[in-house]
Amino acid sequence: RKEVEQDPGPFNVPEGATVAFNCTYSNSASQSFFWYRQDCRKEPKLLMSVYSSGNEDGRFTAQLNRASQYISLLIRDSKLSDSATYLCVVTDYGGSQGNLIFGKGTKLSVKP
Amino acid sequence: DVKVTQSSRYLVKRTGEKVFLECVQDMDHENMFWYRQDPGLGLRLIYFSYDVKMKEKGDIPEGYSVSREKKERFSLILESASTNQTSMYLCASSRGGTTGTGELFFGEGSRLTVL
Repeated sequence: RKEVEQDPGPFNVPEGATVAFNCTYSNSASQSFFWYRQDCRKEPKLLMSVYSSGNEDGRFTAQLNRASQYISLLIRDSKLSDSATYLCVVTDYGGSQGNLIFGKGTKLSVKP
Repeated sequence: DVKVTQSSRYLVKRTGEKVFLECVQDMDHENMFWYRQDPGLGLRLIYFSYDVKMKEKGDIPEGYSVSREKKERFSLILESASTNQTSMYLCASSRGGTTGTGELFFGEGSRLTVL
């Protein structure tokens, strides 16, 4: 069974802090990578896709290292509203529409 | 906006009852999925479907079946509910074919308690 591993946390950080989450995946054939966000008692929602060249969306930066099979998410200038669980997701096999494998999530709590 | 609607947010059933969880999506997505989510175990795939009348087992299909008679609707069936099936059930859909990006759109979830 292909696996996606994440540090479960919780990460407790003050507002304004920079925090980084890491994720490793076991299937070298995976082609697509994502970070999802799940608020407490809500459904997961796509935060951002992760591209080979790395990508940034406002305060969020995602990086992919295929050689090490490692994905990261960096959040700068943390806000209270960033408190959530962040799920690392990869495809189970090559191709963007393959079955997605979810990590168990990393919980972030941003404090005032 | 994509809308995935699950018929029931909260259900309480008794052991041995037959349970139907319904899911409807309005974006003409080819792919539909049923997951369950439990504390410490994350999201686990039960069944998925890439087309009408087509189904594939996920990681934990035992005790479940599914039905996809129409493209927009994907039903999860618990033939005889057991207490270990108490969980949050999440339905999701995604676009298939060469235009698929892999992004899943989830419903709000159905929290099932089996007594």
